[in-house]
Amino acid sequence: GAVVSQHPSWVICKSGTSVKIECRSLDFQATTMFWYRQFPKQSLMLMATSNEGSKATYEQGVEKDKFLINHASLTLSTLTVTSAHPEDSSFYICSARDPSTDSPLHFGNGTRLTVT
Amino acid sequence: EDQVTQSPEALRLQEGESSSLNCSYTVSGLRGLFWYRQDPGKGPEFLFTLYSAGEEKEKERLKATLTKKESFLHITAPKPEDSATYLCAVPPGATNKLIFGTGTLLAVQP
Repeated sequence: GAVVSQHPSWVICKSGTSVKIECRSLDFQATTMFWYRQFPKQSLMLMATSNEGSKATYEQGVEKDKFLINHASLTLSTLTVTSAHPEDSSFYICSARDPSTDSPLHFGNGTRLTVT
Repeated sequence: EDQVTQSPEALRLQEGESSSLNCSYTVSGLRGLFWYRQDPGKGPEFLFTLYSAGEEKEKERLKATLTKKESFLHITAPKPEDSATYLCAVPPGATNKLIFGTGTLLAVQP
């Protein structure tokens, strides 16, 4: 079945630094990927839609200059949290679906970001 | 505005004690309702997709049903390994993205 891989699974960084998170579709090509954020004991909130070869579409209230998304190939999307602050600490999860099948969205195992 | 609401927020069951989780939705033109299971520190794992009122799907101890306004996830004789957060989601509008409910945290005690 479709598999979405995310890396790293956890990262700790200092305030003011940037962190890059990778999301890969392992056995299918994904023209679209989705990035979600999840705070403790809360549900998944969609941050943005990553579009291969074009600009990402951000949800209302999400700063595009802070959360840079690059979808340079059909199997890789990256999310860079720029100038991270403690309030950016969260669980970031990507997802994608195989457009050639009737499959649902599949999710990566998430990246736990802690900003100190 | 498209919306998904789940209840209860948390549910504690004894092993073997059957129950149901609720997902209420308001969306224009439903193109599927999705159930996922999420274990702590992991991404959601797909369980079911339901497309039309009256549809039912089963997997082991889980059965999902759909009406025009809500979906139920029935858990029959649950085991401790069924403990997880169960999320429902719908695609808003004509998009492939999903909006999620707040989830139900299920704890099954032996």
